[in-house]
This record gives sequence, C-alpha cells and structure tokens, in this order.
Amino acid sequence: EIVMTQSPATLSVSPGERATLSCRASQSVSSNLAWYQQKPGQAPRLLIYGASTRATGIPARFSGSGSGTEFTLTISSLQSEDFAVYYCQQYNNWLSFGGGTKVEIK
Amino acid sequence: EVQLVESGGGLVQPGGSLRLSCSASGFTFSSYAMHWVRQAPGKGLEYVSAISTNGGNTYYADSVKGRFTISRDNSKNTLYLQMSSLKAEDTAVYYCVKVGPKSKNYFDYWGQGTLVTVSS
Repeated sequence: EIVMTQSPATLSVSPGERATLSCRASQSVSSNLAWYQQKPGQAPRLLIYGASTRATGIPARFSGSGSGTEFTLTISSLQSEDFAVYYCQQYNNWLSFGGGTKVEIK
Repeated sequence: EVQLVESGGGLVQPGGSLRLSCSASGFTFSSYAMHWVRQAPGKGLEYVSAISTNGGNTYYADSVKGRFTISRDNSKNTLYLQMSSLKAEDTAVYYCVKVGPKSKNYFDYWGQGTLVTVSS
C-alpha cells in the first residue's frame, strides 16, 4: 500500500496570502495524484487531478504541481471560502488518501 | 447534472447489519466504476469498496473484507453497500463516489453522505 503523507497538518494563513500544501508518496505515483477540498459538513470536492489539471469550475488560484513522490497544492491568494481541509489521493497503485491539511485563518 | 444521493444510514447495534443505497443520475451509470469512501467523525477519508461497471469485479479495504458487500443494479442506476457484523469503528459518514473519465480512480463527483452510527 502506498502511504500518502501531507504537511503541515494545519496551516495558518491570512486572507490574500499564498498557501502551499505538500503531499508526499511512499513510492512513485507518477502524476496520478488528485487534490480535494472539504468544508465543514460538506462532501469533499475535486480540485485537481493528474497532479496539475484543474477540475471543472475550479478557480485559477488553485494550482497543482509535482510528480513521482513529491506534490504541491498552491492557493495563490486565499479567499474566505478557501479555508477548509485539503486531501491528496494517489490512484497510481489502487488508491489511498493523505491525512489532510487544515487551512485556517491566521 | 450529476447527482449521487445516498440513503439507508442510521443507528445500529454492534454486530448488526445495514444496507446503504446510492441513487445516481445525470450520467451513464453503467459506464463507470463506483466506490464507497467513508469518514469517521473528525477523521480523514478512508476507501471502503469499489465495483466495476458490470459488477463482475469488486474490491474491499482490509478493514471491511468479509463483512461488507458492494453491488449495483444498472437497470435502476443504484449502488449498494451491504454491511454486516458492524463494529463501533465502522461509525462514519459513507460517501458514494463516481470515478473520473477513462476509469481513472480519482473521484469527480461525491454524494452528500449518509451517517452510520454503530452503538449500543
């Protein structure tokens, strides 16, 4: 099983600032990496797939990068609606989720 | 518009059984593998089970293998999860999820979830 590790567990950011979230795989997952956003009381929403392709309707301030074992989700200028928990998921070798990063207001 | 609507959750005693359903609409249900993903209260996401387009192949997390059974009825556009020998650690919101295009196992649509509580 591929283990996905996200860091940091909590990220405190001021509105308008950039947020950088990391996701590391225990072995290469190529570019088969997705990111999800989850707000309290809601189902997760797909943000990014293929490590860097934004899903339909996702604003351009969200961008994904990386391949192999190291991945990054960047939110260029945090809006109030972006404060949430973010999960990465690999689908190269079956599938597995990271533990999540909570982005909170600083 | 793609919609996934789960039902069947509730309170059940340890050792009991429950069947979850997921009604799908807005896409060709029979063309996509489907999965169940769960989330324990205050915890992260955990893959539970998956089923191929025609139901011929099924997959289970080790934590539920032998206790849960996934199935689908393509004539009714409905996905099921039969859960038995339930344990307290099965308490979670259960999400029905659709895989992305080209059968890639990322999830482009999620249901709203149904809460299963296992407690005496």
